[in-house]
Amino acid sequence: NAGVTQTPKFQVLKTGQSMTLQCAQDMNHEYMSWYRQDPGMGLRLIHYSVGAGITDQGEVPNGYNVSRSTTEDFPLRLLSAAPSQTSVYFCASRLGGGVGETQYFGPGTRLLVL
Amino acid sequence: GQQVMQIPQYQHVQEGEDFTTYCNSSTTLSNIQWYKQRPGGHPVFLIQLVKSGEVKKQKRLTFQFGEAKKNSSLHITATQTTDVGTYFCAGKGANNLFFGTGTRLTVIP
Repeated sequence: NAGVTQTPKFQVLKTGQSMTLQCAQDMNHEYMSWYRQDPGMGLRLIHYSVGAGITDQGEVPNGYNVSRSTTEDFPLRLLSAAPSQTSVYFCASRLGGGVGETQYFGPGTRLLVL
Repeated sequence: GQQVMQIPQYQHVQEGEDFTTYCNSSTTLSNIQWYKQRPGGHPVFLIQLVKSGEVKKQKRLTFQFGEAKKNSSLHITATQTTDVGTYFCAGKGANNLFFGTGTRLTVIP
């Protein structure tokens, strides 16, 4: 199993550009999430999905869109990038249900918006 | 909204010294998880605590969950250079994990 994969690893954007951060998992996990990590802020939840076709907002959803057409993929879209979106983005997945299970993180995407 | 606070933000210790990080939630948690993130890496799951007052050990690491299920701690005995990284707690709310701000541990050889 590859686990959770993310592409690209690094990206530089200009303000106003759009892009999609890709995330895929091959563990048949129902639950997938996107986090951003900024210095001193920990990991903040952007959007999450409890299964194909179902998504919901997390703590900091503004400026980001998601969709979940398959169990495996959970892309994160930036429609019009802003410097405030400079961050490290982590995708994570877990089996779902129950009191809580191990959450597996991807390697991250480092995004710089100029 | 739900908040999970973690202290200290940074900790520098000499190799061989002990280290403790504390996690406090504004609400009762159904469980708490701990993760470790090495510099430049991604968070990796360490352990999950579910029961009130639960204590679990992993070699030199001891994890505790408070009686009220609102706080938790991670204690490392006799730190080693391999312990370097940021330690996060994460509290489980209704559907999501809420992460603390993390404690960055530096171990001085």
